[in-house]
Amino acid sequence: AQKITQTQPGMFVQEKEAVTLDCTYDTSDPSYGLFWYKQPSSGEMIFLIYQGSYDQQNATEGRYSLNFQKARKSANLVISASQLGDSAMYFCAMREGGIYNQGGKLIFGQGTELSVKP
Amino acid sequence: NAGVTQTPKFRVLKTGQSMTLLCAQDMNHEYMYWYRQDPGMGLRLIHYSVGEGTTAKGEVPDGYNVSRLKKQNFLLGLESAAPSQTSVYFCASSYSGGHGETQYFGPGTRLTVL
Repeated sequence: AQKITQTQPGMFVQEKEAVTLDCTYDTSDPSYGLFWYKQPSSGEMIFLIYQGSYDQQNATEGRYSLNFQKARKSANLVISASQLGDSAMYFCAMREGGIYNQGGKLIFGQGTELSVKP
Repeated sequence: NAGVTQTPKFRVLKTGQSMTLLCAQDMNHEYMYWYRQDPGMGLRLIHYSVGEGTTAKGEVPDGYNVSRLKKQNFLLGLESAAPSQTSVYFCASSYSGGHGETQYFGPGTRLTVL
């Protein structure tokens, strides 16, 4: 069963507008972390934001925020005021705790390619 | 700090050849990982290490071997390369394996097996 699902293969957004990238996850572990990474065309993986399963508030990092809805098992990334440099592939990932942790591996979704239009 | 570095950045092999990918980190992290990324897919874990001298299999370990003789280095070996191993390989490290620990990635190695 796929544990991380990103249903939007590609998204377009106008410069300076906000955009939401969807991510749903599946786990039976009560302790887990959710991460978003950005992969620009140059190929490196850049960490953006983290949300813990026990965190009461949604995580924010500058223009990035994570809309965490635990009951729905969703962890959507919101980018405000999009910039041309935001054009990239975005990956949602999960790290389970407990017996599922397996050395702390990350489980990745398939990614969403975001294109920002001027 | 250089963070996580990978050598080489690009490599082309013929079927049956062998090679070693080197990952180095200068953050004193205990945990290190090797992932592969195939087109249209997220990253999948090949092998990982929870400390110097330890290694363990991940999701797709077949055809690869690893070694962690020094804390800062994690080597990925392909003994007899196959076209199915054409991929982009990423090394990552983290301070621990806790579910809240961020993994930091190297720049990747693009490998083509002909």
